Amino acid sequence: QLQLQESGTGHVKPSQTLSLNCAVSGGFIHHGSYAWTWIRQPPGKGLEWVGYIYHSGSTYYNPSLKSRVTISVDKTRNRLSLNLTAVTAADTAVYYCARGIYSYGYWWFDPWGQGILVTVSS
Amino acid sequence: QSVLTQPPSVSGAPGQRVTISCTGNISNIGAGFDVHWYQQLPGTAPKVLIHNYNTRPSGVPDRFSGSQSGTSASLAITGLRAEDEADYYCQSFDRSLSAVIFGGGTKVTVL
Repeated sequence: QLQLQESGTGHVKPSQTLSLNCAVSGGFIHHGSYAWTWIRQPPGKGLEWVGYIYHSGSTYYNPSLKSRVTISVDKTRNRLSLNLTAVTAADTAVYYCARGIYSYGYWWFDPWGQGILVTVSS
Repeated sequence: QSVLTQPPSVSGAPGQRVTISCTGNISNIGAGFDVHWYQQLPGTAPKVLIHNYNTRPSGVPDRFSGSQSGTSASLAITGLRAEDEADYYCQSFDRSLSAVIFGGGTKVTVL
């Protein structure tokens, strides 16, 4: 059974870069036609798609974050990564990694990692 | 402000039926993009409940069902149980934004 586990720094200062990893176990990240995805949730608020990277290596980002986001895959370490530059307090959120599944022309997400809280403050 | 609009909360007594609406526009649900539903139990990560508007993954009870028409979709929970207390989110795609979009979430309370 595929499992995802986020890791990284839980506290970042304003204007710095947020960096997270997502370890994939129970399967290989480069196998299959999936979209490896980051989704975030500010405390007490709803979900926001950050972006995903296709099995082909193509990346797609939320237009509101596009200039600051980079998502990548490390096949040797079987993990997904997220870099978000120039962070502000508005980037404080629980960050989830998830596998995107394509069916009938549309992407949905399963499973999800447990999430990691990242707080941006000085 | 979410592109997909959900009621902030719905409630019902045990055994009752509740529905959660998810209203979009001609750039997302109205354009034919499927809606998916997620359940987020308190303190946990979201879990897919319904995908492709009415397909339940293995293990999801048939008390949960989805429907979609025009620019809206709905999630119905029949035979409401205490363990259904959670936040529920709809998700689709918006072709104008070129982005995956989520509804703002609906908190279901079992009275």
